[in-house]
Amino acid sequence: DVKVTQSSRYLVKRTGEKVFLECVQDMDHENMFWYRQDPGLGLRLIYFSYDVKMKEKGDIPEGYSVSREKKERFSLILESASTNQTSMYLCASSSPDRGGSPLHFGNGTRLTVT
Amino acid sequence: AQKITQTQPGMFVQEKEAVTLDCTYDTSDPSYGLFWYKQPSSGEMIFLIYQGSYDQQNATEGRYSLNFQKARKSANLVISASQLGDSAMYFCAMRELSGTYKYIFGTGTRLKVLA
Repeated sequence: DVKVTQSSRYLVKRTGEKVFLECVQDMDHENMFWYRQDPGLGLRLIYFSYDVKMKEKGDIPEGYSVSREKKERFSLILESASTNQTSMYLCASSSPDRGGSPLHFGNGTRLTVT
Repeated sequence: AQKITQTQPGMFVQEKEAVTLDCTYDTSDPSYGLFWYKQPSSGEMIFLIYQGSYDQQNATEGRYSLNFQKARKSANLVISASQLGDSAMYFCAMRELSGTYKYIFGTGTRLKVLA
């Protein structure tokens, strides 16, 4: 079974802090994704990566950056956390082999910025 | 631009009855995949079912089936014989298969199964 592990389940940070959310997958997947989930808005794509050191902006990249130095690890960085970044963050991975490859998700990190 | 629309924020269904969760999509790519996910209150995202745009038959997985109407751009999830454990958020998602790895999601439908 694919395992996607997010380093923290809950995180509380102060406004202006630099925040790192870490995600590791163990299935050698090329593609990795960061989403945020907010009530009534569903899942919105922040960034994704289809290879090491490659990244592409999703639909809401403002205020975020990412890093993928190794294939199994994809980090989301909030350069200066703000209260409107309080949300549930979901990491996912997929194989590009087939169009039907589903996303495999981590358990999420609930971030609160105060 | 690709888009997924789920118009039912919440639904109720009686235990053992069937329920249909609506999903419409928009894309200009002739090649795409459609996915449904379940998110129980515990928070994990569980993949349920997949339908490819060129698949001739509607996808089925156990009690889940996907009512795929390509001309109407709809991909509704049908859950037969609902169980209390089916109470959850359900998300429809799409991936265009030409030149991008993006998966986009709808806003979800919260299903409550009544005993």
